[in-house]
Amino acid sequence: DVKVTQSSRYLVKRTGEKVFLECVQDMDHENMFWYRQDPGLGLRLIYFSYDVKMKEKGDIPEGYSVSREKKERFSLILESASTNQTSMYLCASKGGTVNTGELFFGEGSRLTVL
Amino acid sequence: AQSVAQPEDQVNVAEGNPLTVKCTYSVSGNPYLFWYVQYPNRGLQFLLKYITGDNLVKGSYGFEAEFNKSQTSFHLKKPSALVSDSALYFCAVSPPRDSNYQLIWGAGTKLIIKP
Repeated sequence: DVKVTQSSRYLVKRTGEKVFLECVQDMDHENMFWYRQDPGLGLRLIYFSYDVKMKEKGDIPEGYSVSREKKERFSLILESASTNQTSMYLCASKGGTVNTGELFFGEGSRLTVL
Repeated sequence: AQSVAQPEDQVNVAEGNPLTVKCTYSVSGNPYLFWYVQYPNRGLQFLLKYITGDNLVKGSYGFEAEFNKSQTSFHLKKPSALVSDSALYFCAVSPPRDSNYQLIWGAGTKLIIKP
C-alpha cells in the first residue's frame, strides 16, 4: 500500500521555538509538497521539491524553510514559530513530470503555537 | 488572477438522495481538473480527475464529475448519498502549462449526509 507518512500528528510548541515536520514517502516519487490548510482558505502551497536538494517557493514561503536530502524525505522547518503558524500542515507527493497525476497526501500534522 | 470557486461552504443532503458539490474555475487554456476528499482528522484522498475526453468522469466511492467547458465548471455528483460520504471536498485545477506542478485549490465544501 502506497504511503506518505508524517512524523507527528499533533504538536504543541511555544513562540520562538524551532519546529521540524518530517514527511516520508515510499512511492519513489520525484515531487513532494508542503501545504498549509486553514478553514475557509483551502490548501496553500508553502514549498515544493521536484528532485533531491531542489526546492521551489510556493505561495506562502515566509517563515518556513525546507530540506530534501533524500528522495523519500521532505522536511518543513519553522525557524522561529509564531502563533499565526498554528495550522494543519499536509505533506504530499506526486510521481512524474506532468500535471496530470494525482497527489498522495499524508495524514497531516496539526501544529499549535502558544 | 486564476482561481477556483466552491460557492457552497456546506451542503446538506438526506441519505439516499442525489448530491452535487459545485466547482467553477477561472483558468486560462484547457486545465486539468481534480476532486479530493478529506475525512475527519485525515489527509486528503484523490477522488477523480478530468484530463481530456469524455466530459463525465467516474471516480472512487461511486462519485462522478461533469466537466462543462462553456460554464467552466466541474461539479461533483453521486446518484445516492451515503452517511459515510460526509466529509470535506476540495476541487483543484492545474494549469496545463504550469511547470511548477502547482494546483489551484478551492476553499472546500463540507458535505453532510443525514440519515
